[in-house]
Amino acid sequence: DIQMTQSPSSLSVSLGDNVTFTCEASENIYGFLAWYQQKLGKAPKLLIYGATNLEDGVPTRFSGSGSWTNYSLTISSLEPEDIATYYCQNNHVYPLTFGSGTKLEIK
Amino acid sequence: QVQLQQSGAELVKPGTSVKLSCKASGYTFTSNHMNWIKQTTGQGLEWIGIINPGSGGTSYNVKFKGKATLTVDKSSSTAFMQLSSLTPEDSAVYYCARQGYTTDVMDAWGQGASVTVSS
Repeated sequence: DIQMTQSPSSLSVSLGDNVTFTCEASENIYGFLAWYQQKLGKAPKLLIYGATNLEDGVPTRFSGSGSWTNYSLTISSLEPEDIATYYCQNNHVYPLTFGSGTKLEIK
Repeated sequence: QVQLQQSGAELVKPGTSVKLSCKASGYTFTSNHMNWIKQTTGQGLEWIGIINPGSGGTSYNVKFKGKATLTVDKSSSTAFMQLSSLTPEDSAVYYCARQGYTTDVMDAWGQGASVTVSS
């Protein structure tokens, strides 16, 4: 199975910050990488697919980058509604696998 | 709009089975595959498997073979997941999630169903 390693596991941030967190796959996933946002008590929500493509309706302050095994998600100018846990997901091969998440907390 | 409405929370005894449902609306049910995902505090998000509602074809995570069985009822646009021989390790929140036709990722999720296995 492809292991997805996210770092950091948690991040203390201030509103207005630019935030970047990373996801490393245990092997090349050819850009088949999705990012999801999960707020407390809610289902995950798709933000980005294909490593760089913004899902319809997702604010443009979210952006994704990366290739091969290394990927990142950036939030520009953090808003209060962005406080959540973020997960990356391999959708290159079965079994589909998720990272363990990066939890954003307010300083 | 696309909606996936899952069945409610379940409290079940060890050794029994439970069948969760996921009713789809707002799109053509047979046009998109449906995933099932398990979430626990300890193990995070785990993909259980996927079903093609049109053909009934399935693909499972090896870890969940024998534990989960995915089916659909096309007439009611509902996907089901049966979990068998339940143990406390099966206690979790279970989600259904639609596979995007062009994006091939989970573009819509149900609200989740909590399963608690306890005697």
